[in-house]
Amino acid sequence: KAGVTQTPRYLIKTRGQQVTLSCSPISGHRSVSWYQQTPGQGLQFLFEYFSETQRNKGNFPGRFSGRQFSNSRSEMNVSTLELGDSALYLCASSSEFGDAYEQYFGPGTRLTVT
Amino acid sequence: DAKTTQPTSMDCAEGRAANLPCNHSTISGNEYVYWYRQIHSQGPQYIIHGLKNNETNEMASLIITEDRKSSTLILPHATLRDTAVYYCIVIRTSYGKLTFGQGTILTVHP
Repeated sequence: KAGVTQTPRYLIKTRGQQVTLSCSPISGHRSVSWYQQTPGQGLQFLFEYFSETQRNKGNFPGRFSGRQFSNSRSEMNVSTLELGDSALYLCASSSEFGDAYEQYFGPGTRLTVT
Repeated sequence: DAKTTQPTSMDCAEGRAANLPCNHSTISGNEYVYWYRQIHSQGPQYIIHGLKNNETNEMASLIITEDRKSSTLILPHATLRDTAVYYCIVIRTSYGKLTFGQGTILTVHP
């Protein structure tokens, strides 16, 4: 079974721009969670989607948003980029038959904001 | 979520058992203990989880004390590829949210 895939793997953007990151979960998984990882703050939860509905949200400003499609693929969007948004963005998928804490992570998208 | 305390770093010789402790003294009765690890430059990897009984899978064993205030992850025969940051996470139902702390940096040396 193919793992979680994320595109693009690397991205360079300028302050003020917006960016969209994509995540394809493991086939059959319907829960997708997103995380931000920085050296200073570590791994922080952004939000979780299940069956196209956001079920949970972390403590991030409204510039961070996401959505999930009917095929469980998910996207996250960051608008008005700031230098502090430079980070590794990870998505993880989970089977509906387990609990959503047994998560399988993708390789991440490395975002650099200049 | 209950707070967890882990040592900052640990060393282990290749081929020996690695025993990684985690303290979660404020854990509640319905909170599970999960372990993940993150190898450099990769996404975190699920290892194992448990509620109150000891658990074992192909990767590791999880020993939870009877009072559930602490647990130990055991890698029975550590290899160099087990060098990673290991995270102990205690969670209640919070839909897909894992709260990662600082974890333990495990270094396996030849």
